[in-house]
Formats: sequence, structure tokens, C-alpha cells
Amino acid sequence: AQSVTQLGSHVSVSEGALVLLRCNYSSSVPPYLFWYVQYPNQGLQLLLKYTSAATLVKGINGFEAEFKKSETSFHLTKPSAHMSDAAEYFCAVSRAGTALIFGKGTTLSVSS
Amino acid sequence: GAVVSQHPSRVICKSGTSVKIECRSLDFQATTMFWYRQFPKQSLMLMATSNEGSKATYEQGVEKDKFLINHASLTLSTLTVTSAHPEDSSFYICSARDAMDRAKNIQYFGAGTRLSVL
Repeated sequence: AQSVTQLGSHVSVSEGALVLLRCNYSSSVPPYLFWYVQYPNQGLQLLLKYTSAATLVKGINGFEAEFKKSETSFHLTKPSAHMSDAAEYFCAVSRAGTALIFGKGTTLSVSS
Repeated sequence: GAVVSQHPSRVICKSGTSVKIECRSLDFQATTMFWYRQFPKQSLMLMATSNEGSKATYEQGVEKDKFLINHASLTLSTLTVTSAHPEDSSFYICSARDAMDRAKNIQYFGAGTRLSVL
């Protein structure tokens, strides 16, 4: 069975600081991994995805994530946080053709 | 990018009434759509997988007679909450998978529907 664990339900950073949101997965087969962002009362927007190509994946809004098979991790990073990055972030895993399994989410707060 | 339209964005109804939520893929065909439910400050829970032209597949614990799903075309799936009760109040989100990119399983999400049952 596949699962996703997001470490830290709430992360707070200062504007301009590094953003690091942690995600570990469990999968018996090579997974597809995703990061989504959700703003209040809105749906989910795809930030980036890993689908067995390059292990370092660049997404929108300056975010990137690195797939590390040895650590079963897919952490999301951004070098410099912006106020507009404050939102809920979800890591998700799937196999080809199956439904997404989401982590519990991490709330990112950015202070000025 | 791919766009999924979900309507209505918010609905308030009386207990016992039925509510229909539409999910449309605007610029791609979606043989598969997914319906999720999200409680406040929690993750998305998959309710059912909707396949065009066939019956939906419901997750364990989801009442199929309560949550009717119809996927009559390659661009439209509907979720009908029948005889709604206050405990059905929630945020419902749909997603659609591009039929041309099934292997990568990239899902595009609607903006969600906030259902409040009085």
C-alpha cells in the first residue's frame, strides 16, 4: 500500500527565508509524486510532479523538489519565501493510473 | 494549462434536499474524474472514482446511494448529494485526469464546492 507522511503540520518562516516542507512516502513500486498548493476556499493547484524522469524537479513559483529514493523523500523547497506563498501544501503519491493519496498537509505561514 | 470548472462554488440548502455539483474539464477530455471531500484543516479524502460511461467506484465507507455520481460524457461528471443532512456539510473537490496522459496520472482540480446544510 502507498502512503505519504508530511512532517510538520505547520511551518513558519520569515519573508526571504528558505522554505522546506518535508514529505516521505511509502510505496512498493516506483511512485509518482506530486506537490499541490491550496489557498483558502479554493481547489488544489499543481506545483510540481515527479514521474520517474529527473530527480530534481522544478515547479511553478520558484519551488522545487528532489526525489531521493534512498531516503524515500520528496521534500519541497524554495530559496526565498514570499508573503504570497502562505497557503496549505499537500504532498501526494500514486502509481500510474490510480487515484492520488494525499498527506495531511502542511500550513505555511510567512511573516514580514 | 488544463482547466477544470466546478459549479457551484458555494451552496446552502435545507436538510432533506438534494444538491448537484458539476465538474467539467474545459480544454481536455477526461475519461476519469475523482471526487474528494475535505473537512476543515484536514486532507482530501477520496470518495469515488468516476469513469466515463460506467459506474463509479466508491471508496470504503462512502454510501453510493447517498452520493450519486454520473459521468455521462468525456468532459462532465456530476455528484449529487441526496437527502442532505448537516453532517454532509463539507468542502467537495473534483479532479480530472487527462485521457491523453493517463500513465502520469496528473490530475487537475476544480475550485471546490462549499456545501452547507441547515
